[in-house]
Amino acid sequence: SQTIHQWPATLVQPVGSPLSLECTVEGTSNPNLYWYRQAAGRGLQLLFYSVGIGQISSEVPQNLSASRPQDRQFILSSKKLLLSDSGFYLCAWSVGGQPQHFGDGTRLSIL
Amino acid sequence: ELKVEQNPLFLSMQEGKNYTIYCNYSTTSDRLYWYRQDPGKSLESLFVLLSNGAVKQEGRLMASLDTKARLSTLHITAAVHDLSATYFCAVATLTTYGQNFVFGPGTRLSVLP
Repeated sequence: SQTIHQWPATLVQPVGSPLSLECTVEGTSNPNLYWYRQAAGRGLQLLFYSVGIGQISSEVPQNLSASRPQDRQFILSSKKLLLSDSGFYLCAWSVGGQPQHFGDGTRLSIL
Repeated sequence: ELKVEQNPLFLSMQEGKNYTIYCNYSTTSDRLYWYRQDPGKSLESLFVLLSNGAVKQEGRLMASLDTKARLSTLHITAAVHDLSATYFCAVATLTTYGQNFVFGPGTRLSVLP
């Protein structure tokens, strides 16, 4: 069966520090991969999605970047975090017309 | 640009009552999804609706899709407290880079005893 792992679960970082969030999927090949951010009490904002290794589509200009070094690995990064980067970050995968499957999320607090 | 709207955004209802959540979207799509999110948790897939007239039911929830009206509904029958959560609809679109999903803002449901 397919599983998705996302870590860390929680993270507290100072303003201006770097960021690396990782997401891996098991049990499927060539999935579409997605990074979302959710502010408290709000909906989902799509940040990046990828249909293959090295293929990243950015939806929102910002100080974040994404990479897909392997088929089932998706990384979200930042060189310098801003206060506005706080939120709940969700990774998801999908194949074909099936619904997205979400990881457990990373709760990021910027101090 | 595809836009997805939901109403109501907040819903407080008593146990045992029925209610419907509406999801409207702005451009043609034949794939619509409903998700549930519990507070502080991730999203869980509820329904996949793949064609006009599709109806899916699970327990006290029933979802339907009208692609001509660009409308999906999530009907709640005889609500119970365990249904309290935020419900999102999402519409799939095809882009140059593959399939993308656009989410509605969510409907926060509170079922009161």
